[in-house]
Amino acid sequence: NAGVTQTPKFRVLKTGQSMTLLCAQDMNHEYMYWYRQDPGMGLRLIHYSVGEGTTAKGEVPDGYNVSRLKKQNFLLGLESAAPSQTSVYFCASRTGTGRGQPQHFGDGTRLSIL
Amino acid sequence: AQKVTQAQTEISVVEKEDVTLDCVYETRDTTYYLFWYKQPPSGELVFLIRRNSFDEQNEISGRYSWNFQKSTSSFNFTITASQVVDSAVYFCALSEDSYGQNFVFGPGTRLSVLP
Repeated sequence: NAGVTQTPKFRVLKTGQSMTLLCAQDMNHEYMYWYRQDPGMGLRLIHYSVGEGTTAKGEVPDGYNVSRLKKQNFLLGLESAAPSQTSVYFCASRTGTGRGQPQHFGDGTRLSIL
Repeated sequence: AQKVTQAQTEISVVEKEDVTLDCVYETRDTTYYLFWYKQPPSGELVFLIRRNSFDEQNEISGRYSWNFQKSTSSFNFTITASQVVDSAVYFCALSEDSYGQNFVFGPGTRLSVLP
């Protein structure tokens, strides 16, 4: 029962470097999300996807790009990392069947930008 | 616009005390869903409960209970006889149809249960 798996779990980058965070889910969920969690601010939605090949902006999309080439994977990219992007990143997924279904989260990726 | 407020930033209680975590939400939708999640020190987010806007019945699950009141736009969470393992950050979240059923999370309440 893997659920939602995020890789890597930790990463340290230098300002200006690029990287991709991978989220994989094995629940056949249609909806996938990327959030960032910062102290005192809860979780803020970066981007989301309602199905393979579709993506949309959330609350804080600037500086990030995403792709959903396969239903089970949702990638979050940082093209030129900035210290303001130091955060804990969470991926989530949920079924598109029925309304008000809960989101299921991965364990998070702790990212530090120096 | 939708909004979730958790006014209690941090709460400390002694083991076996009861504690209530407050959640107040704002929405213009008539159909919406409310959730509570737990984030223990290990960092993962664990789904606890979902409630839809048409169901104001309170719910009890073991030591946990939830009080949903539309009249005050609140969805409060009570832990009875708290235990050290209840120490975590608790998030309340709102999902509306008009927001594509995306979630808006509150800032969280950090609960520390002391032995």
